[in-house]
Amino acid sequence: QSVLTQPPSASGPPGQTVTISCSGGSSNIGTNTVDWYQQLPGTAPKLLICSNNQRPSGVPDRFSGSKSGTSASLAISGLQSDDEADYYCAAWDDSLDGILFGGGTKLTVL
Amino acid sequence: EVQLVESGGGLVQPGGSLRLSCSASGFTFSSFWMSWVRQAPGKGLEWVASIDQHGSHKKFVDSVKGRFTISRDNTKNSLSLDMNSLRAEDTAIYYCAKNIQGGYIFYFDHWGQGTLVTVSS
Repeated sequence: QSVLTQPPSASGPPGQTVTISCSGGSSNIGTNTVDWYQQLPGTAPKLLICSNNQRPSGVPDRFSGSKSGTSASLAISGLQSDDEADYYCAAWDDSLDGILFGGGTKLTVL
Repeated sequence: EVQLVESGGGLVQPGGSLRLSCSASGFTFSSFWMSWVRQAPGKGLEWVASIDQHGSHKKFVDSVKGRFTISRDNTKNSLSLDMNSLRAEDTAIYYCAKNIQGGYIFYFDHWGQGTLVTVSS
């Protein structure tokens, strides 16, 4: 289906690992690569993970991405208070002929 | 350093028009796809439109087809979004974004700070 589904919220204490899921379909995640964006409060989005599991220069290795079939996930280890942000997955959708974003997951560091 | 600076946002009445611009620097503008992404107040990200390096291939989300036009001027390193027949639901921050594209890959590697468009009477 032409929808990317993320949990609306996620949380964890400092130092822990949290995983955010992104579920799609054969026309998007099943065919194309998945990317993740981080949006800190009041700022523009920033590329966090590209091409399923690649970290752009400057992104700490505490952030990792993976993809399997029509689902993907973002893992954040060693949680820090600075990680509190909204996280969005995205993928090209062949049916829509455009980019789909997930609804976003708000991460809270307890 | 890549810089993307949007301008042109503001308050417009329903049914009105607005032109957004994005000034790019720090990279070879003519070599990359470019896009607009928007975010309604308190909501998530929504892709709006993309244009290829030469301006010959353009893509739009269904909700803006026939109302919005995307264009670029490679001589001025500038991207534009012409918005017509604006509706209340077009109210959002509009971000200009640089693309990396190829094969199964299409993502936004740099973003501007955004410009706010408010459609209201």
